[in-house]
Amino acid sequence: DTGVSQNPRHKITKRGQNVTFRCDPISEHNRLYWYRQTLGQGPEFLTYFQNEAQLEKSRLLSDRFSAERPKGSFSTLEIQRTEQGDSAMYLCASSSRDLYNEQFFGPGTRLTVL
Amino acid sequence: EDKVVQSPLSLVVHEGDTVTLNCSYEVTNFRSLLWYKQEKKAPTFLFMLTSSGIEKKSGRLSSILDKKELFSILNITATQTGDSAVYLCAVVKKSSGDKLTFGTGTRLAVRP
Repeated sequence: DTGVSQNPRHKITKRGQNVTFRCDPISEHNRLYWYRQTLGQGPEFLTYFQNEAQLEKSRLLSDRFSAERPKGSFSTLEIQRTEQGDSAMYLCASSSRDLYNEQFFGPGTRLTVL
Repeated sequence: EDKVVQSPLSLVVHEGDTVTLNCSYEVTNFRSLLWYKQEKKAPTFLFMLTSSGIEKKSGRLSSILDKKELFSILNITATQTGDSAVYLCAVVKKSSGDKLTFGTGTRLAVRP
């Protein structure tokens, strides 16, 4: 399968714990995006990378959230001291650098904070 | 603040019906509008529209953009139960790194 992959697919954690999600983009794509989607809403942008550089972060990304893409390939999103409000689907997408290229989404990681 | 508004929020039709989904937007430095279909998983890409008045078509689905009136429509003809999904509209701004600003989606249910 050469699409975007995300792990784990589901994560249940207790409030206050740290969690880390991984995204593997399509191999030739140099742009990688993280979005968060809550029930009944469209995805909301969190952050994006071009290669290993994190070029933009949303105001939604509090200081408990950190994302990395150390070698310009896979990316991780870590949430520290999780809160119940962090419960959501975390989606990763990738695209190539060419103009007007669509983003391809992974299956998402569903986080439930108890 | 950038806004993407979709209507209706939900819609129930019978197989064979034709539906029209609406997306209006208010963004500065608009570049393109995208439609995605989301079933119980990740959004899948349908169309990207950058120019006014040029219809994009794929099978029973088609879409068009009006940059003067700031809206787009997605048409589905001869609907099938497999068309049941949430349809998401998103816009991209110039110099925004291609990040997508989504609407809340239209939930379509097609009954047999």
